[in-house]
Amino acid sequence: DAGVTQSPTHLIKTRGQHVTLRCSPISGHKSVSWYQQVLGQGPQFIFQYYEKEERGRGNFPDRFSARQFPNYSSELNVNALLLGDSALYLCASSNDREGYNEQFFGPGTRLTVL
Amino acid sequence: DQQVKQNSPSLSVQEGRISILNCDYTNSMFDYFLWYKKYPAEGPTFLISISSIKDKNEDGRFTVFLNKSAKHLSLHIVPSQPGDSAVYFCAASGQGGSEKLVFGKGTKLTVNP
Repeated sequence: DAGVTQSPTHLIKTRGQHVTLRCSPISGHKSVSWYQQVLGQGPQFIFQYYEKEERGRGNFPDRFSARQFPNYSSELNVNALLLGDSALYLCASSNDREGYNEQFFGPGTRLTVL
Repeated sequence: DQQVKQNSPSLSVQEGRISILNCDYTNSMFDYFLWYKKYPAEGPTFLISISSIKDKNEDGRFTVFLNKSAKHLSLHIVPSQPGDSAVYFCAASGQGGSEKLVFGKGTKLTVNP
C-alpha cells in the first residue's frame, strides 16, 4: 500500500516568491494535515482539512493557505516567501473514523528560501 | 507556551539495554498521545500511541506508559538496537487524535553497539 506522498522533494525559492506544495494521502484517508518543521523543533501544525473543508488552522500568517480536492489530495500555498519560511513541510493523513486515529506522515518537502 | 515538553534533547544507551524517553504535557484536554520516530531526511514514522483511558500500551519492544495525574508519559524500548537511533517525538491531541497534533521538540536517541 502506498503511503502519504509529497511533491516536490526539495525546492529552492527566493524571497517574495510563492510556492505550492502537494500531498496525496493514504488511500481511503479523508483527512489531511500540514505541518512545518524547522531545525531543532518539533512539527508545528498549519492546517487540517477533512472532506474538503478546513477543520483547523494553526498560528500562521495569511500568507499560508491550503485546499483539499475531491480526491482528498491537498495543496499548501505560501505567498510572499520570507527567509524564515525555510523548513521541512510535512503532510499527514488519517482515517478519521470514530474513535482514535493515528496520523501518518509523508517524507516532506524541504523548502529553502534564499 | 510549550504544551508538550521533551526535556532531554539527547539520550545515549548501549545496545541491548533499555531506552526510556520522557514527555510532559500541560493541557489536560489532551486525550490521545503518540510517539513518532524520525530519521534524517524522512518524515516522522508512527511508532505507538495510547489513549487517556489507558495507562500502558505495548507493541513488541515498545511500551508507552501514561501517568495522567502527573501529566507525564514515557516510551520504553527493550532491548535497544542500533537501528533505533533516531529522533523521537512525543505528540498529543484532543478528540481522539482527530484534531491537530502538538509535538515536543524531540529527543535524539543514540544506541551504541
